[in-house]
Amino acid sequence: AQSVSQHNHHVILSEAASLELGCNYSYGGTVNLFWYVQYPGQHLQLLLKYFSGDPLVKGIKGFEAEFIKSKFSFNLRKPSVQWSDTAEYFCAVNVWADYKLSFGAGTTVTVRA
Amino acid sequence: NAGVTQNPKFQVLKTGQSMTLQCAQDMNHNSMYWYRQDPGMGLRLIYYSASEGTTDKGEVPNGYNVSRLNKREFSLRLESAAPSQTSVYFCASQNHAGGTSGGGETQYFGPGTRLLVL
Repeated sequence: AQSVSQHNHHVILSEAASLELGCNYSYGGTVNLFWYVQYPGQHLQLLLKYFSGDPLVKGIKGFEAEFIKSKFSFNLRKPSVQWSDTAEYFCAVNVWADYKLSFGAGTTVTVRA
Repeated sequence: NAGVTQNPKFQVLKTGQSMTLQCAQDMNHNSMYWYRQDPGMGLRLIYYSASEGTTDKGEVPNGYNVSRLNKREFSLRLESAAPSQTSVYFCASQNHAGGTSGGGETQYFGPGTRLLVL
C-alpha cells in the first residue's frame, strides 16, 4: 500500500493567521487525493478532493489544496483561519481504480481566538 | 436520510470477550469500509466490501471478521477481544461509479464506536 506522510502533528495558530499543512505520498502512478476534516465531536467529512483537471482545487470553508505531481505533494492551505477551523485534518490517497483509501497520521490544528 | 449509522457508540469489553459492531447506510452505496483510528496513526483500513457479497482484507485485518449482510449493512466482529484492539472504529460508505473518477468518489463516515478492551 502507498504511504501518506503529513509533516505536522500539531499546529497552533492565532485567528487570521495563514495555514498550510503538508502532505506527501509515495505512489508513482495515477492517484486520487483527498483532505478530510474531523471537527471536535463530529464525523469525518470531506474538505476537498482532486482526481483530474486543475491541480489547484477549492473546497469548503475557504480551503484549497494544490497537487504538485513532481513533488508527490497535496498541501492544504487557508489564507486566514478562524477559531471554528480547530479540528483534525487528514490527507488521504487512493490509487486510480482502487477503492481503498490510505490516510496520513493526521494534523491537529488549534486556532486560538 | 441518516447517512451512515453505527452501533454501539461506546463499549467496554474484557479481554477474550466477543462483540459485533454494526454499521448501516441509507444512501444506496455499493462500497463499505471499516477503519480503526489510533492516536498518531490516522485511520487504518481493517476490511472493506467493494460490493454486496464481497469482502476483502485491508491493512490491519488480524483479529477481525466482517459480514456484508446486504447492501445497507456491514458488520465488524471481534471474536476474542484484546487490549490492542482498544480504538475508535469508523464505518464508511462510498458509491463508486467507476469510469472517469477511478475511485475518486467521496467516502461518507459514521460517528464512530469507541471501544475499550480491559
